[in-house]
Amino acid sequence: ETGVTQTPRHLVMGMTNKKSLKCEQHLGHNAMYWYKQSAKKPLELMFVYNFKEQTENNSVPSRFSPECPNSSHLFLHLHTLQPEDSALYLCASSQGNSEADTQYFGPGTRLTVL
Amino acid sequence: GDSVTQMEGPVTLSEEAFLTINCTYTATGYPSLFWYVQYPGEGLQLLLKATKADDKGSNKGFEATYRKETTSFHLEKGSVQVSDSAVYFCAGLSGNTGKLIFGQGTTLQVKP
Repeated sequence: ETGVTQTPRHLVMGMTNKKSLKCEQHLGHNAMYWYKQSAKKPLELMFVYNFKEQTENNSVPSRFSPECPNSSHLFLHLHTLQPEDSALYLCASSQGNSEADTQYFGPGTRLTVL
Repeated sequence: GDSVTQMEGPVTLSEEAFLTINCTYTATGYPSLFWYVQYPGEGLQLLLKATKADDKGSNKGFEATYRKETTSFHLEKGSVQVSDSAVYFCAGLSGNTGKLIFGQGTTLQVKP
């Protein structure tokens, strides 16, 4: 248990569906992250939020839309996805304020797009 | 830009064998370095870290020493168990961007 939870753990959706992934951290951190982990590819950083402000958008397609209503919660809204978007989506959090900043990860949401 | 390179897997060992997974980094300055482990069907868990040269991180029998002269952070364990079978990721915290840069991951399979 890392203090970062993600729901749902598994999600199957069609290309025309709209769904949302949720992440919650109970560590009192100020920064939150979304990563994409695809088979046989390195982890890809998607978005970074620091004190609820988006500080990084790593050229992510607009069909992925993040939302950070407060420092403890992070959402990833999904719409009109493609089959190649099938992957494990990982959320992480950190203090966000030091050179030794350590990121703690949630268990991930396994997304399958049909 | 900053980068982290890990030895390619998979690595297959017998139980109680010695493990080394190599990791080297290329960066401006000396970033904090981390090893994460991902067990099947789970997210990444922090295994150990080191924040400056000559620091040694250790946890659950695993060790890694931050070697500035060789820009390396190799992961070692003296006697692996079947339960250590997982994917291991080396990562460095880029001083330029503040981003965590990951290696490609090394799959370890330990056979009884």
